[in-house]
Amino acid sequence: ELKVEQNPLFLSMQEGKNYTIYCNYSTTSDRLYWYRQDPGKSLESLFVLLSNGAVKQEGRLMASLDTKARLSTLHITAAVHDLSATYFCAVTEYNNNDMRFGAGTRLTVKP
Amino acid sequence: DAGVTQSPTHLIKTRGQQVTLRCSPKSGHDTVSWYQQALGQGPQFIFQYYEEEERQRGNFPDRFSGHQFPNYSSELNVNALLLGDSALYLCASSVSRQGWDTEAFFGQGTRLTVV
Repeated sequence: ELKVEQNPLFLSMQEGKNYTIYCNYSTTSDRLYWYRQDPGKSLESLFVLLSNGAVKQEGRLMASLDTKARLSTLHITAAVHDLSATYFCAVTEYNNNDMRFGAGTRLTVKP
Repeated sequence: DAGVTQSPTHLIKTRGQQVTLRCSPKSGHDTVSWYQQALGQGPQFIFQYYEEEERQRGNFPDRFSGHQFPNYSSELNVNALLLGDSALYLCASSVSRQGWDTEAFFGQGTRLTVV
């Protein structure tokens, strides 16, 4: 069964600091997604990573994918308060439409 | 483009009742997936509809059923509600492709509370 594990589950950071969220998965899938969710809101797509070595950046967030290690990272650079949210990684397998989500990382950025 | 729209946004039901949630996909999308997100957890796949048929189902009991209409909109029905069915129900739409569907876009969700 496909498993997706995120860590840490909770992250409290100071503004201006850097940190990385990790997402491990158990399949040979090479399609991975990162989403952001604000409290009581829906999921906002951040990145879609389609192949080994893929790296995407948007503002202070950068995501990468290593399919051989079955690992994706979401790196936060110089955090600001507006980044406070829950971040989910999700994985799909070829010919399988069941998108499996990690448990989420609840990020709090403090001034 | 209105994106994926869901209705209602909030709903309160009593144990044992039945509920219907609705979803209109993003324009141009033909596939609708439903997810249940319990408080503090990641979304869990309920099922997916394509060409008006259930294409794939997650690990949910038969109390959960759905439908897709010719205009691609979809309904999620839950019978004999339990307290544990209280959750945020998310609808996602995409375009079906061989092997990999296109990226899924999520609606704002329906918050169901069972009392």
